[in-house]
Parts: sequence; C-alpha cells; structure tokens
Amino acid sequence: DTGVSQNPRHKITKRGQNVTFRCDPISEHNRLYWYRQTLGQGPEFLTYFQNEAQLEKSRLLSDRFSAERPKGSFSTLEIQRTEQGDSAMYLCASSLADSTGELFFGEGSRLTVL
Amino acid sequence: DAKTTQPTSMDCAEGRAANLPCNHSTISGNEYVYWYRQIHSQGPQYIIHGLKNNETNEMASLIITEDRKSSTLILPHATLRDTAVYYCIVRVAWNAGGTSYGKLTFGQGTILTVHP
Repeated sequence: DTGVSQNPRHKITKRGQNVTFRCDPISEHNRLYWYRQTLGQGPEFLTYFQNEAQLEKSRLLSDRFSAERPKGSFSTLEIQRTEQGDSAMYLCASSLADSTGELFFGEGSRLTVL
Repeated sequence: DAKTTQPTSMDCAEGRAANLPCNHSTISGNEYVYWYRQIHSQGPQYIIHGLKNNETNEMASLIITEDRKSSTLILPHATLRDTAVYYCIVRVAWNAGGTSYGKLTFGQGTILTVHP
C-alpha cells in the first residue's frame, strides 16, 4: 500500500501520560499535514510541514503538542500530559507543494484519554 | 478563506443523481472550490475542484454558478458506498511565492445518506 500510513490506529491512555503518533506520507510528497477531528465535527487544521520545515501552526496546537519531521519524510505528533479533551481522531495528510490542493489523508489515529 | 454554507443532511435513492449544494457568497476571484468526502471511520478523500468552469472526473461533476457564489457537486448515479460526509471548501490555490497554499479549512459538511 503506497498511501499515507498512520500508527498506532488506536491509543487508549490515562490522563497525564504522553502519547506519540507517527505518520508516513506518500513517498514523493514534500508536504505533510496534521489535523484533529472530534465526533461530529470536520477536521481541524493543526500544523503542516514542507520538507522538514514547519510552515504553519494553528492556535489549537498548544504547548503540550509538538510535531516534528526531522528528515522531511515521516512525522511524529507528540502530546504531553494528555487531557480528556485531547480525545479525538488525529489525521495526517500529504501532498505535493506544486499541486492545486489535493491532499491525501491517512486512516487516522484515534486517541482516547481516560 | 471564504466561508461555505452547506445543508446539514441530504438523502438520495440508490441509482439516482445526488446534487449537493454549497453557498460561498464571499468567494474571491483567486479562490478555488474543493470537494472532499469522508466515509465513516476513514480519512477525507479528495473528489474534485474548480475555479470557474464546470469540471467532471470519474467520481463527480462540479457545477459553479457564473457569479461563483454557489456550486453543486453531482454524483450522477449514487450507490450505497457514496454514503458519507461531503465537505465543500473554498481556498486560494497558489500563494504569492508560486507554491500551492497549505491548509484546507473544513466545515461540518453535508451528511449524504444513500438508501436502497
């Protein structure tokens, strides 16, 4: 499968624990995006990278959230000191920088904070 | 990015055309209309996009009014597998630097239910 891959697909954690999600984009895509989606809502933009540079961050990305893309390939999204409000689906997408807007999404990583 | 307005939900009979409307009355001249859909428990999937001309691909057709203030996504022969949330998004395609603009901003979309 050459699509966007996200791991783990499901994560259950206790409040206060740290969690990390990984995203492997489509290999030739230089842009990578993170979104968060809660039940009944559309995806909300968190951040995006072009190669290894983080170009934009949403105000939703509090200081407990950090995203990296160290070599311009895969990316990680870490949430420190998780809160129940962090429970959501975390979606990753990738695209080419010279495309006109077609983002390819992964299946998402569902986080449940108890 | 211009705001879009979509009906909360719609129904369609299998085999019939599904016509999903979207209002974007504040759209700017350099903003494109994009449609994505999200089937339950999956990530969003790109369907189609356009600037001012009508567009068609293997999945759907996009009809944009002449004043560009509204558009309609048409699924010509809806199947049960087309049941999903459909998002209409308006966005600048290119930034001043000549590369594509980054993020897409999703609303709540239209829940389309295709029934037998």
